[in-house]
Amino acid sequence: DTGVSQNPRHKITKRGQNVTFRCDPISEHNRLYWYRQTLGQGPEFLTYFQNEAQLEKSRLLSDRFSAERPKGSFSTLEIQRTEQGDSAMYLCASSLWALGGQRTDTQYFGPGTRLTVL
Amino acid sequence: AQKITQTQPGMFVQEKEAVTLDCTYDTSDPSYGLFWYKQPSSGEMIFLIYQGSYDQQNATEGRYSLNFQKARKSANLVISASQLGDSAMYFCAMSSEKLTFGTGTRLTIIP
Repeated sequence: DTGVSQNPRHKITKRGQNVTFRCDPISEHNRLYWYRQTLGQGPEFLTYFQNEAQLEKSRLLSDRFSAERPKGSFSTLEIQRTEQGDSAMYLCASSLWALGGQRTDTQYFGPGTRLTVL
Repeated sequence: AQKITQTQPGMFVQEKEAVTLDCTYDTSDPSYGLFWYKQPSSGEMIFLIYQGSYDQQNATEGRYSLNFQKARKSANLVISASQLGDSAMYFCAMSSEKLTFGTGTRLTIIP
C-alpha cells in the first residue's frame, strides 16, 4: 500500500492526558498537511510542512498542539493536556510540490485518526 | 481570505440519474485550484477531480466532471449515471497551497 497512512486510527483518552498521532506520507511527497474535522463540518487546516520545515500554522493550533517532521518523512502531531473540545478526526495529507511549478498540487489524504476525549 | 460555499446539505437521487452538486467560491488570488473530495462513512477523503483557475476546459475524470464558471465563481460537480456506491459526503475545496473546504453535501443514492 503506497498511500498515506495514519496511526492510530482511533484514540480514546481522558481529559488532561497527552496524545501523539503519526502520519506517514506517500514516499515521494515533499509536503505534508494536518487538518482537523469535527462532526458535520469540512476539514480545517492546522499546519503544513515542506520537507522538514514547518511553513504555516493556523490560529487553530494552540500552544497545546505541536507538530514535527524531523527527517522530512513521517510527521507527528502531539496534543498536550487534552480537552473535550479536542475531540475530532485528525486528517493528514501529502502532496508533491514542484519548485517554480504549479501552485495547486493535489493533496492525498490518509484514513484519519479519530480522537475522543472523555 | 478564501471561502467555499456549499448550499445543499443533503441530496437524494435515483440510481442511474445524473446529479449536480453546487459549489461557489471566493478568493482574491489570481491563481488557485478547485478540488472535489468524496468522504464515505469510513472517513477517508478521496480525491475526485481538480480544476485550475487558468484551465480553459472543464475537467473530467470518468463519471465526474467539473462545471467551472469563473465569472460566476462556481465549480459544480456533475456525477453521471449515479451508483449506490456514490452515497457519501462530498466536499468542494480550493487551494493556493493549503485547502479550504466547504461544509459538504451528503449525497444519498436511492435504488
